[in-house]
Amino acid sequence: GQNIDQPTEMTATEGAIVQINCTYQTSGFNGLFWYQQHAGEAPTFLSYNVLDGLEEKGRFSSFLSRSKGYSYLLLKELQMKDSASYLCAVLNSNYQLIWGAGTKLIIKP
Amino acid sequence: DGGITQSPKYLFRKEGQNVTLSCEQNLNHDAMYWYRQDPGQGLRLIYYSQIVNDFQKGDIAEGYSVSREKKESFPLTVTSAQKNPTAFYLCATSPGGEADTQYFGPGTRLTVL
Repeated sequence: GQNIDQPTEMTATEGAIVQINCTYQTSGFNGLFWYQQHAGEAPTFLSYNVLDGLEEKGRFSSFLSRSKGYSYLLLKELQMKDSASYLCAVLNSNYQLIWGAGTKLIIKP
Repeated sequence: DGGITQSPKYLFRKEGQNVTLSCEQNLNHDAMYWYRQDPGQGLRLIYYSQIVNDFQKGDIAEGYSVSREKKESFPLTVTSAQKNPTAFYLCATSPGGEADTQYFGPGTRLTVL
C-alpha cells in the first residue's frame, strides 16, 4: 500500500524553531508538497520539492531525501499565527496525490 | 478578483436527501478536484476532471456524482447512497499539468442529520 506518516500533534514556543517530519512509501515519486491548513479553512500551498535538498522560503524551509523517503518542514521564528495543521502530500508515479493525515502544530506564548 | 468559491460554507440535510455542493473558479484552470476531509485522516479524492465534459472517479467515488459542463464549474452531488456523508468537502483546481500545484477553495462543511 501507499502511506504517508506524520506526527499527529506537536507543540512549540513562540519565537522558536520546529521541524515537522514526513516519511512516505508510495508507488513512485514525482514530487512532495507541504500545505498549511488553519482550523475550518482550506489548505494553502507552502512548498514543492522534487529534487533532494533544502528549499528556503522566508521563515519556512522544506527538505527532501528521496533515497530515505523523507521530508521535513522547518518553521523558524514561530508566530502565534503559525498554529495550524501541516499536510504532507506525495505525487506518485501515476501523478496521484497521496495525502498524510496532517500534523497539528500548537504554538504557546 | 480571482479565486475558487464554494457555497454554502455550512450545509445541513436530512438523511436520504441528495445535496449538491457548488465549486466555481475564475483562474482559467483546466483541472478540478473534489476531496473529502475527515478528522484524523488525509484528504481523499472523490472525483477529478482534467477537461470540460470529462471526469474520472477518485478513490471514494461511490455515492457521489459530478458534472463538468463548463470550465469554471464542477458541482458535486452527494446522493443518498453515500453512507457517511457528514464531512468537510474541499474543491481544488490546478492549471492542468500533471505535477501542477493544487489550489483549494474555502470548503463546505456538510452535516447530515
